[in-house]
Amino acid sequence: ETGVTQSPTHLIKTRGQQVTLRCSSQSGHNTVSWYQQALGQGPQFIFQYYREEENGRGNFPPRFSGLQFPNYSSELNVNALELDDSALYLCASSRGGSGANVLTFGAGSRLTVL
Amino acid sequence: EDQVTQSPEALRLQEGESSSLNCSYTVSGLRGLFWYRQDPGKGPEFLFTLYSAGEEKEKERLKATLTKKESFLHITAPKPEDSATYLCAVQGHNNTDKLIFGTGTRLQVFP
Repeated sequence: ETGVTQSPTHLIKTRGQQVTLRCSSQSGHNTVSWYQQALGQGPQFIFQYYREEENGRGNFPPRFSGLQFPNYSSELNVNALELDDSALYLCASSRGGSGANVLTFGAGSRLTVL
Repeated sequence: EDQVTQSPEALRLQEGESSSLNCSYTVSGLRGLFWYRQDPGKGPEFLFTLYSAGEEKEKERLKATLTKKESFLHITAPKPEDSATYLCAVQGHNNTDKLIFGTGTRLQVFP
């Protein structure tokens, strides 16, 4: 059973640029979520994708967008980067459906905005 | 608004010195309460899910308990390899698997 893989692991951007982060979900999982974790904080929910559609969003502006592909992999796009976007971006996959669903997290993509 | 508060923020223990971490929560309909372990620079690693008040789960030196307002993670005779940040999160009754996380407890166990 493969876990959740994310790429790239680290990247540096400058303010105003755009970034795309990628995630492959765990086999058997059809739901993908993205979280932002600032240093010393808990992960904050950005959004969730199920059946290639966004079906839940946290308090993040529209310049944070995403995609889910037919193979359940996903991308997170952030436009017009700001200094405060510097964080660890975590992708998590789950089975979806009713009941409490365990999220399996990837190792994250560390984004630094200069 | 769903909310999770963890205490203490940081905890230093001598190897073998047992202690407990607290997670207080408010949620509009609890689907599950989760404990995760996070090592520096890595993603959270799943430990336990608790579903209803009175439930307990154990794994090696860790034991998680749940009431209607809070959860405890008890660590018995910890070892240095237990050093990590422990995150608590709740999942409410909505149409998503969204987790609301606390800020975590950073545990250091020294020999």
